Amino acid sequence: DQQVKQNSPSLSVQEGRISILNCDYTNSMFDYFLWYKKYPAEGPTFLISISSIKDKNEDGRFTVFLNKSAKHLSLHIVPSQPGDSAVYFCAASPGNTPLVFGKGTRLSVIA
Amino acid sequence: NAGVTQTPKFRILKIGQSMTLQCTQDMNHNYMYWYRQDPGMGLKLIYYSVGAGITDKGEVPNGYNVSRSTTEDFPLRLELAAPSQTSVYFCASRQGQLYGYTFGSGTRLTVV
Repeated sequence: DQQVKQNSPSLSVQEGRISILNCDYTNSMFDYFLWYKKYPAEGPTFLISISSIKDKNEDGRFTVFLNKSAKHLSLHIVPSQPGDSAVYFCAASPGNTPLVFGKGTRLSVIA
Repeated sequence: NAGVTQTPKFRILKIGQSMTLQCTQDMNHNYMYWYRQDPGMGLKLIYYSVGAGITDKGEVPNGYNVSRSTTEDFPLRLELAAPSQTSVYFCASRQGQLYGYTFGSGTRLTVV
């Protein structure tokens, strides 16, 4: 039973355009959501997070939106750059418990 | 500041052999985790620890054991390796819930 779902295995975007990565979750107890970025042969690195009391969090080119009623969050990258090409994982947790990860979306930013 | 250090980076094991994957963090984090990532899959939790002397099972603990004798170290032990344990293993730590994980660079394990 997948509690965190990333239904798009891959996404291609042109350089300079917006990248939108989506994530759905089923556990209504999740109250903290994070995005991680992973390059090949490296560990995932923390990108941005949002708590359930907010609906938006912004950090430079990265913005995460949370829609609790739809149990949906999205990561927007504007403008997209070739260095953003990586696998992006959505993760969530209820309280201070271990994170549950989605399967990831591979983003390719084409120059 | 080294962060989370995993050794070895690569290892090939024969079926039935055992080994320990090492994980050390120098950030004084109480929370530590072991995940495995199979191709095309997300990260699945094997074991975790909320502090020295305390460990708990995750989603896929069978075939593994852990110990947490110090804050810094969280080794993962594989007994009687099986092909199903071929995977990339990631160790991670964090300060608390409102902080993201810091991951190690991973150990790629192949069981043949």
